[in-house]
Amino acid sequence: GQQLNQSPQSMFIQEGEDVSMNCTSSSIFNTWLWYKQDPGEGPVLLIALYKAGELTSNGRLTAQFGITRKDSFLNISASIPSDVGIYFCAGRYTNAGKSTFGDGTTLTVKP
Amino acid sequence: EAQVTQNPRYLITVTGKKLTVTCSQNMNHEYMSWYRQDPGLGLRQIYYSMNVEVTDKGDVPEGYKVSRKEKRNFPLILESPSPNQTSLYFCASSFLADSTDTQYFGPGTRLTVL
Repeated sequence: GQQLNQSPQSMFIQEGEDVSMNCTSSSIFNTWLWYKQDPGEGPVLLIALYKAGELTSNGRLTAQFGITRKDSFLNISASIPSDVGIYFCAGRYTNAGKSTFGDGTTLTVKP
Repeated sequence: EAQVTQNPRYLITVTGKKLTVTCSQNMNHEYMSWYRQDPGLGLRQIYYSMNVEVTDKGDVPEGYKVSRKEKRNFPLILESPSPNQTSLYFCASSFLADSTDTQYFGPGTRLTVL
């Protein structure tokens, strides 16, 4: 099946620092999605991207859909302790039921 | 409250003993899906359903069955569980299978097969 390479695998940062993580795919997607998972809970959607080149923000989060449609990145600015969690990228095709997820980036924020 | 519920939340069982994990959503969503999450492997899709009586395989369907007899429920069935099916399972739903629609995830079911 499709493979998404998400990096980095984990990050340890100081509160207030900016964070960047990315995903690359072996083939194209129509939609890129970024989720956050808190301990003991299911993933929650942060940002959805629908067009190549699209740059979308949600508060301190910014994500971009790569021009090639094979990659996406997520930036978190001025990190805070509640940003701790696992961040997943996911790719989907229009009108298709399949979703492919990256392996996740575990973020730790030190106060 | 709009939500996706899963039962049970935790289950310890033995190899070969059939089990069902239920998933129910109260948002009248057409699309439902099951994932398993294993350390270092992210979420992998097991099965999905575009609508009632329509199901299809995801990336890791072996050893699992599903059914979609009514819109709100999408149970995951393990006919003969094995230890390699020990995992954290998530059910998700959305209005449409269209890629523009948000998927809502349930709280997860942690399954241990001895």
